[in-house]
Amino acid sequence: QKEVEQNSGPLSVPEGAIASLNCTYSDRGSQSFFWYRQYSGKSPELIMSIYSNGDKEDGRFTAQLNKASQYVSLLIRDSQPSDSATYLCAVRNYGQNFVFGPGTRLSVLP
Amino acid sequence: EAQVTQNPRYLITVTGKKLTVTCSQNMNHEYMSWYRQDPGLGLRQIYYSMNVEVTDKGDVPEGYKVSRKEKRNFPLILESPSPNQTSLYFCASSLGRDRAKNIQYFGAGTRLSVL
Repeated sequence: QKEVEQNSGPLSVPEGAIASLNCTYSDRGSQSFFWYRQYSGKSPELIMSIYSNGDKEDGRFTAQLNKASQYVSLLIRDSQPSDSATYLCAVRNYGQNFVFGPGTRLSVLP
Repeated sequence: EAQVTQNPRYLITVTGKKLTVTCSQNMNHEYMSWYRQDPGLGLRQIYYSMNVEVTDKGDVPEGYKVSRKEKRNFPLILESPSPNQTSLYFCASSLGRDRAKNIQYFGAGTRLSVL
């Protein structure tokens, strides 16, 4: 069973701090990696996608991928209360088979 | 407006009564998927389709059926619902297989309760 693991949280950070979210995956053949944000009662929305080892930055968000360690992370700089949500790590293994982690709940305290 | 539309948004039914949840996308996407979301388990893929008349099982297909007769529609069918299928269901679509195209867009969700 291919697995994606995340700490469920909640992860609490003060406003303006850096939030660090982590994800590990079990299938070395995984090809594509995604971070989604999901507000309570809403559908997931894409924040970042990353396909190659290293860092990818988009505004306040940086995704990091290390395929040797089977590890993906998401950094949120200058965290805002509006960033409070559940963050889902997703991995595409083959075809359109996607496996999601259970999500990490982030709380940004004003 | 580009979107994935699911209906109904909320559904309460009884064990054994067949139901269909519809999903439609207006973005001419090739790929469509169905997921269920349960507390502590995250999103789990039920079925996916890579083209018309091409469907494949995800990680939790038991008790579900799908069909893809048209590119825009991908209904989820529960022939004989059971209480363990009580969940929040999401339909998603993406443009294609290539890296830039396999980003999924999700519908608003269908909350199903099976009594």
